[in-house]
Amino acid sequence: DAGVIQSPRHEVTEMGQEVTLRCKPISGHDYLFWYRQTMMRGLELLIYFNNNVPIDDSGMPEDRFSAKMPNASFSTLKIQPSEPRDSAVYFCASSLRQGARGNQPQHFGDGTRLSIL
Amino acid sequence: GDSVTQMEGPVTLSEEAFLTINCTYTATGYPSLFWYVQYPGEGLQLLLKATKADDKGSNKGFEATYRKETTSFHLEKGSVQVSDSAVYFCALSDGWGAGKSTFGDGTTLTVKP
Repeated sequence: DAGVIQSPRHEVTEMGQEVTLRCKPISGHDYLFWYRQTMMRGLELLIYFNNNVPIDDSGMPEDRFSAKMPNASFSTLKIQPSEPRDSAVYFCASSLRQGARGNQPQHFGDGTRLSIL
Repeated sequence: GDSVTQMEGPVTLSEEAFLTINCTYTATGYPSLFWYVQYPGEGLQLLLKATKADDKGSNKGFEATYRKETTSFHLEKGSVQVSDSAVYFCALSDGWGAGKSTFGDGTTLTVKP
């Protein structure tokens, strides 16, 4: 089975440029999550979707960040304009619908390593 | 709200040593508990899980038991290998109405030959 697919794997760009990160979740999964991981702040949940609808975006750091999920098989995380402090590894994850005991694990992609110069 | 507290790292062990990484949690409901592992340059992947009290999750020689009375889910392995060097995350998922998981801060394990 194909796992969660993220692209690009690495992105280096200059401050002020627009950055778009892409994610293809596992087919049939109902939830999609965007995380950011840094040494200083660890793993942070930015936003998550249920059936393509954003449920909680309270982790999105600023208005410069936006995320969309136009259909069940694709999501984007956009940063515009980018800043050096946005440098991090960004992960996408997906999961099946949670049952009463929340027993469905999340499946992570391999991440996009973003460097803003 | 829900929270997960993990033993602070880093942890350094010699090959074949016994491993324990402590994890305690706070949750309002009856969560499922997970351990994830992250190898360098990769995303997190599920190591094991337990969905109710006294359940034991196990995989690749790792074990963890869901202890409701102590709200704990400690990870153990009897004999670690160099290939077990990674970051380990404890997490909980609180079921209906949430959909998301709460993760601990991660514990870095280094195993030396």
